[in-house]
Amino acid sequence: GAVVSQHPSWVICKSGTSVKIECRSLDFQATTMFWYRQFPKQSLMLMATSNEGSKATYEQGVEKDKFLINHASLTLSTLTVTSAHPEDSSFYICSARDLIGALFQETQYFGPGTRLLVL
Amino acid sequence: QKEVEQDPGPLSVPEGAIVSLNCTYSNSAFQYFMWYRQYSRKGPELLMYTYSSGNKEDGRFTAQVDKSSKYISLFIRDSQPSDSATYLCAMSGGGSGGYQKVTFGTGTKLQVIP
Repeated sequence: GAVVSQHPSWVICKSGTSVKIECRSLDFQATTMFWYRQFPKQSLMLMATSNEGSKATYEQGVEKDKFLINHASLTLSTLTVTSAHPEDSSFYICSARDLIGALFQETQYFGPGTRLLVL
Repeated sequence: QKEVEQDPGPLSVPEGAIVSLNCTYSNSAFQYFMWYRQYSRKGPELLMYTYSSGNKEDGRFTAQVDKSSKYISLFIRDSQPSDSATYLCAMSGGGSGGYQKVTFGTGTKLQVIP
């Protein structure tokens, strides 16, 4: 089955620093990747949709200058949290669509998530 | 009102019980309905998907969609301790012309007690 990896799995950083999270589709090409944020006992909140070779589409209320997304290849998308603050602490999950291999066009394969703690 | 409502639980059942998980929604444009399973500190995993109304069965799992009532269900038969996880419903508008945003429920935490 399609596998999506994320790195790092967890990170602790000081307030004001930037953190980069990588999302890779390991055995398929993903023209579209998604970045979500999940708070405890809350649903997955879509932050942005990332298309290979073009600018990401951000959801309303998500600061594009704070959450920089780069989808440089068909297998890699990165999310950079710039000047992180304690309120940015959360569980960040990426997902990818496999339009060719998936039986179901809406299938999203999720990465294992990255837990960010900003001190 | 949220587009998708899901009881967060937790729901505790004894091993072997039949589990019923439910979501209601308000957007009549939704056509694809999905159930994801998420273990603690892991990303969600697609369990089942259905298009429009009806039932779909896969092993111990049955997904049911009632579009007239805007209500979807996931049934788990002969529940096992390994089924203990958070179950998220998700839905999208589907259709042609590109990606349709998927809306997730908050998830129901299920614990199956041996």
